[in-house]
Amino acid sequence: EAEVAQSPRYKITEKSQAVAFWCDPISGHATLYWYRQILGQGPELLVQFQDESVVDDSQLPKDRFSAERLKGVDSTLKIQPAELGDSAMYLCASSLSRGPSNEQFFGPGTRLTVL
Amino acid sequence: EDQVTQSPEALRLQEGESSSLNCSYTVSGLRGLFWYRQDPGKGPEFLFTLYSAGEEKEKERLKATLTKKESFLHITAPKPEDSATYLCAVQARAGGTSYGKLTFGQGTILTVHP
Repeated sequence: EAEVAQSPRYKITEKSQAVAFWCDPISGHATLYWYRQILGQGPELLVQFQDESVVDDSQLPKDRFSAERLKGVDSTLKIQPAELGDSAMYLCASSLSRGPSNEQFFGPGTRLTVL
Repeated sequence: EDQVTQSPEALRLQEGESSSLNCSYTVSGLRGLFWYRQDPGKGPEFLFTLYSAGEEKEKERLKATLTKKESFLHITAPKPEDSATYLCAVQARAGGTSYGKLTFGQGTILTVHP
């Protein structure tokens, strides 16, 4: 069964350090999403890609966060420098961009702890 | 701004005790309403999509319904393995060439005791 892959599953870092997360969407899914989920809350969108282009990054803290999807397949989310408030689960999801099926399928997430 | 509110925040049931979870929403043109299940430390697992008022979908012990203002997730004769956080999300109709983001509620934590 096709799944969204993410790595690493867990990351512990100190504040002011740089961290990076990787996501490989389901094959054929042109749309890729990065969400952040704080403990006890629902996920919130950080950035959305259509192929290699950003279509929504309105909630991305651009002074410290960056995201890229260079070849329109896998994607990397970076934080530099990390802050204590960045501790959260970072979820990647993918979906088809057209047609009747618009479900988003999520990966297992990366749990980030900033010390 | 799209908003989703789920209630209750937490629900404890005895095995076999049926109940319902509520999801109230406001959205600027509904494209779809989604239900997900999330186990601790894992990503959300897709359950249902509902598109229009009056629509219902079922999967095993779960049944989701939709009105113009809210959705319900009915759990019939739950088992301990149904224990999880259930998330509701809405997707608004949007322009452009791809489907837009999901706006999630905070979730309902369901615990089913044997």
